[in-house]
Amino acid sequence: DAKTTQPPSMDCAEGRAANLPCNHSTISGNEYVYWYRQIHSQGPQYIIHGLKNNETNEMASLIITEDRKSSTLILPHATLRDTAVYYCIVRVPQGAQKLVFGQGTRLTINP
Amino acid sequence: NAGVTQTPKFRVLKTGQSMTLLCAQDMNHEYMYWYRQDPGMGLRLIHYSVGEGTTAKGEVPDGYNVSRLKKQNFLLGLESAAPSQTSVYFCASSTSASFKNIQYFGAGTRLSVL
Repeated sequence: DAKTTQPPSMDCAEGRAANLPCNHSTISGNEYVYWYRQIHSQGPQYIIHGLKNNETNEMASLIITEDRKSSTLILPHATLRDTAVYYCIVRVPQGAQKLVFGQGTRLTINP
Repeated sequence: NAGVTQTPKFRVLKTGQSMTLLCAQDMNHEYMYWYRQDPGMGLRLIHYSVGEGTTAKGEVPDGYNVSRLKKQNFLLGLESAAPSQTSVYFCASSTSASFKNIQYFGAGTRLSVL
């Protein structure tokens, strides 16, 4: 699995958009970008994933650059409940493979 | 829809005691996983299973055993607990049926070994 790089921490005001960057310059052509988050003391939660097109679901949007070397997770209207550690993971979608959680970005939403 | 359920939620053991952690999923998933998470660190895979009756080692399997006798259940056993096994244990499951391979996690079991 390709290595990812994320800022260790970020702050965002409640109600504003939170933009979390991730660098994955060694991503392979068949690898997808996945985002999970872990709210304190809870199990990780899947947010969104994509290959090369921008994706949107009820939780977030994922913007992947054209060269696929970086991506941004966007939480459009952050709430206090979005305070969590966010993990960017790059992997192929097939098979039973472990998720490699790096250090992630600790996002704090401020009132 | 319960998803992935782990029991117990908390447990305190003495060194040398044994215990079994139970993971149950109601999503008919083929794949199941056991991870551990130590303070301030990411999750590390202990064991996993690709189907009923199968198990495989992850990156930190020593001191643990697993069984998958039923598709919906994945058991993690500690035969002789050690303080180094104090951790939060997470179970997850995923399906092979879609081209997504999203892992769904339980709430975790917090284990302290004294």
